Amino acid sequence: AQKITQTQPGMFVQEKEAVTLDCTYDTSDQSYGLFWYKQPSSGEMIFLIYQGSYDEQNATEGRYSLNFQKARKSANLVISASQLGDSAMYFCAMREGPNRDDKIIFGKGTRLHILP
Amino acid sequence: GAGVSQTPSNKVTEKGKYVELRCDPISGHTALYWYRQSLGQGPEFLIYFQGTGAADDSGLPNDRFFAVRPEGSVSTLKIQRTERGDSAVYLCASSPTSGMDETQYFGPGTRLLVL
Repeated sequence: AQKITQTQPGMFVQEKEAVTLDCTYDTSDQSYGLFWYKQPSSGEMIFLIYQGSYDEQNATEGRYSLNFQKARKSANLVISASQLGDSAMYFCAMREGPNRDDKIIFGKGTRLHILP
Repeated sequence: GAGVSQTPSNKVTEKGKYVELRCDPISGHTALYWYRQSLGQGPEFLIYFQGTGAADDSGLPNDRFFAVRPEGSVSTLKIQRTERGDSAVYLCASSPTSGMDETQYFGPGTRLLVL
């Protein structure tokens, strides 16, 4: 079974609109971390936002917020006021276990296209 | 810059050859990871080092793949008898293991093409 599921292979969004990228995860661990990374066409993986399983509040970083619904095992990324530079692949990822050194498991990604 | 660096950025080789891919982590980061990203997929974990030792090598696909980190800083991923299926982007990441930082920081990757 897939640990990280991203059901949207591609999305087209008008510039300045908000966009939600879906992510569901599967784990039996009580302690885990959830990440979103952005990968532009240049290929580098850029860290966007992190949510710990015990964090009670949704994580926010500038225009990025993570809509964390623990009971549903959902960790959607919300980008407010989208910009042309947001066009990229977006990966949801999870680290299981309490150790911050543990490996990260990635989803297959969502390609986001921002339209002018 | 102070980010993770990887060399070479691109590598073309012939089937059956041996290749080495190098990763320079962020200074002071003791944890180092190798991932492989095939076209249209997310990165897949290969191996993780804590200091000089491989703490988890469960992602290495077979014994043709090997990685070292002899001084706890630079790491080299070694692939013997390369196959066309080894063609992918090989990503390296590092993270600190003290403090509150939970993030793995990635390098730009090495694009390997096996002909």
